Amino acid sequence: SQKIEQNSEALNIQEGKTATLTCNYTNYSPAYLQWYRQDPGRGPVFLLLIRENEKEKRKERLKVTFDTTLKQSLFHITASQPADSATYLCAYESGNTPLVFGKGTRLSVIA
Amino acid sequence: DADVTQTPRNRITKTGKRIMLECSQTKGHDRMYWYRQDPGLGLRLIYYSFDVKDINKGEISDGYSVSRQAQAKFSLSLESAIPNQTALYFCATSDLTATKGELFFGEGSRLTVL
Repeated sequence: SQKIEQNSEALNIQEGKTATLTCNYTNYSPAYLQWYRQDPGRGPVFLLLIRENEKEKRKERLKVTFDTTLKQSLFHITASQPADSATYLCAYESGNTPLVFGKGTRLSVIA
Repeated sequence: DADVTQTPRNRITKTGKRIMLECSQTKGHDRMYWYRQDPGLGLRLIYYSFDVKDINKGEISDGYSVSRQAQAKFSLSLESAIPNQTALYFCATSDLTATKGELFFGEGSRLTVL
């Protein structure tokens, strides 16, 4: 079956450092991967999308990479701030199917 | 006003009761979804609808039903609620014609079944 995994349930990082979150997938080739941010008790909010033919996508302090050989996407937050503390979800879609989400990584940025 | 509105935001009910969670959207999107979120299990798809006449089961549809009353409205029903349906429920929408396919989520409906 198709699976998408986020390796770390939680990640603690010092303010100012770069946070790197990992998303791995197996048994399929997604057309694209998406990353969302979710704050406690709130709905997820879309951040970035990267297509299978793109290696890297950037938005302000955020960067996403997509390695189809490793079947992995990395999500980076540079110069992290306490306000970046949240749960980050990766999701894939292959063909005309709804998004399938990973379980998320809870990021805590410590001042 | 929120683009995707869910009601109620919080509900406590008893085992065996019928519950309806409602979702309405002002984004004009054709596609609507119901997800359930549990600690440690992430977001799981219950039902989805790609247009008014289209209803599809998701990963965990047992014990749930849906109704797409209009393009803007998609409701989720629990005919006879049970305690393991206690969860945070999210409605989401997406645009059929968008190149991104990103989802827009509501603020969630927290359901507790005693």
